[in-house]
Amino acid sequence: GAVVSQHPSRVICKSGTSVKIECRSLDFQATTMFWYRQFPKQSLMLMATSNEGSKATYEQGVEKDKFLINHASLTLSTLTVTSAHPEDSSFYICSASQGRLNTEAFFGQGTRLTVV
Amino acid sequence: EDQVTQSPEALRLQEGESSSLNCSYTVSGLRGLFWYRQDPGKGPEFLFTLYSAGEEKEKERLKATLTKKESFLHITAPKPEDSATYLCAVQEVNTGFQKLVFGTGTRLLVSP
Repeated sequence: GAVVSQHPSRVICKSGTSVKIECRSLDFQATTMFWYRQFPKQSLMLMATSNEGSKATYEQGVEKDKFLINHASLTLSTLTVTSAHPEDSSFYICSASQGRLNTEAFFGQGTRLTVV
Repeated sequence: EDQVTQSPEALRLQEGESSSLNCSYTVSGLRGLFWYRQDPGKGPEFLFTLYSAGEEKEKERLKATLTKKESFLHITAPKPEDSATYLCAVQEVNTGFQKLVFGTGTRLLVSP
């Protein structure tokens, strides 16, 4: 299957700082990328959907000014957690699809964010 | 609103003891039902996509089946390396961007 690389795998930051997480599709062009967060022993909750060259679509309850998403190219999307607080500590996972009709999404390895 | 419910929440098996995991779903129109495997601290790994009732897919010791209301993931003669969380997700026909709605998963532990 296709490879999606997410970086960093772990990050610890101080409260009030910003953190950027990168998601890259390594061997295919991803027209659509998705960002999820996952709390311990819970399922993946979709945060936002991003399409290359356009604004991200955020799910209800997700603050777009806090979770900035940029999908500048067909192989890279970034999620920036701004002014992070301890409650933002979570496991963030991205996924990517090759096209509108492609129902197979490939996931990155995830990023464990800890805000202290 | 789409709903996905997985059961059991956790399952402990002895090596070689076959069992099934259940995924019940409610959608207005199903585009696809997905099964993923997730190891601790890792992203989900794609296993299967099922599109229509009656469809079955197999991969090694795993077999996924689909009806109009639920899907089963059958595990035959499991090994300890099959221990993981198995996630089910659905995609509705009316979603424009292939949105997946996930269940909470079944944590499987296979003991030697």
